[in-house]
Parts: sequence; C-alpha cells; structure tokens
Amino acid sequence: QLQLQESGPGLVKTSETLSLTCTVSGGSINSETYYWGWIRQPPGKGLEWIGSVYYTGRTYYNPSLKSRLTISIHTSKNQFSLRLTSVAAADTAAYYCATTTGSTVDYWGQGTLVTVSS
Amino acid sequence: QSVLTQPPSASGTPGQTVTISCSGSSSNIGTNAVSWYQQLPGMAPKLLIFGDNQWPSGVPDRFSASKSGTSASLAISGLQSEDEADYYCASWDYSLNGLYVFGTGTKVTVL
Repeated sequence: QLQLQESGPGLVKTSETLSLTCTVSGGSINSETYYWGWIRQPPGKGLEWIGSVYYTGRTYYNPSLKSRLTISIHTSKNQFSLRLTSVAAADTAAYYCATTTGSTVDYWGQGTLVTVSS
Repeated sequence: QSVLTQPPSASGTPGQTVTISCSGSSSNIGTNAVSWYQQLPGMAPKLLIFGDNQWPSGVPDRFSASKSGTSASLAISGLQSEDEADYYCASWDYSLNGLYVFGTGTKVTVL
C-alpha cells in the first residue's frame, strides 16, 4: 500500500517561491503504473489539480499555473517535489500529493496547509 | 474554474437514498472515465468510485455511480451518519492540452 507524506514550510511570503516535497513509501517512484502529482484546496473551497510527473520526468501541468510551476521527480530519494513561484494570497491552500492512474487519483497524502502572507 | 457542475448540497435521513449529479461536456465526461471522491471533515479526499462505476477495495456497495453522455451521478443508498461529507466528481478534460478537472463539490448532510 502506497503512502505519501508532504513536507515543507507552512508559511510563504507574498511574491516568493512555494516549495513542497512528497516522500513515497510502500512502493517505488520508478513505477510505470503511477503518475505522481499535486492537488490543492483553498480553505473552504473545492479541489484543483496542479500537475503531475511520470517516472521518466515527463510533466503535465494545469495551464492556469504552468508559467509558475515546476514538478520534479527525485528517484534516488523516492520523492517528488512542487515549486510554485511568485505566490500570492490566492495560492493559500491545503496542498496534497497524490498518485494518479488513468482518470483516477488513487492515493492521497494527508495534506499540508500553506499560507501565503506578507 | 471547475468545468464539472455539482449541486452545492444534498441531504437525507438515515436509510434514505441520496443522489448527486455531475454535469460536464464532451471534452471531459463525454469521452473520459469519471471518478468520485469522498472528503470527510478535516481529512484528505478518498477515492470512492473509479472507471465510471467501479469500487476500490473496501468501499461499500451502498455507493454506486453511473454515467450517461456528458453527465454522471453518484447514489448513496442506506444513508448513514458517517456518510456526511463533501463529494467530488472528476475526470480528465482534453481541451486546453489536458487537465484533470474536479467537480464543484456537494456537501451531503444526514438529517
């Protein structure tokens, strides 16, 4: 059973860069089965898919975030990461790392709240 | 930004059946499988249904789903107090170079 755990700062200053890491246990990030991705949820609001990365390094990004977004895979550490630049208050959200296969998000991390404030 | 529309709320008494709709378009539900997720208060979402109407291991068959054209629906039969949660539909949308889209979410209240 895959387990995912997010880590990173809970507070980021406006205009700076949000960086989060997801550590995978119970399986290899080199798996051909899964895409490794990020989903966020602003407080009291719905879910938004951020993007995904495959074990080959190929990425798929939400067009609305693409210009500010980098998702990377770190196979030696069994981790993948999210980097979102030039953040604003609207980027305040719970950030979930997750796996996807086809049209399904199979496994979710517990989520980490990131607040953007000046 | 959601392109999948759900009713904001639904409710029922214990034992009743509650149905949630999810309306999309030909670029998402019309051509791709639908998944459903349950989010209990303060928790991460959990996969409830995949492939339009398939259950992951451990999900009770009180939860069922269907799809027709560009719309999908989730039914919760034998409603229980622990079913009180937010429910989201989701699918891939191949417009805009591919995007995984979630529904607007439905809050289910057990009266």
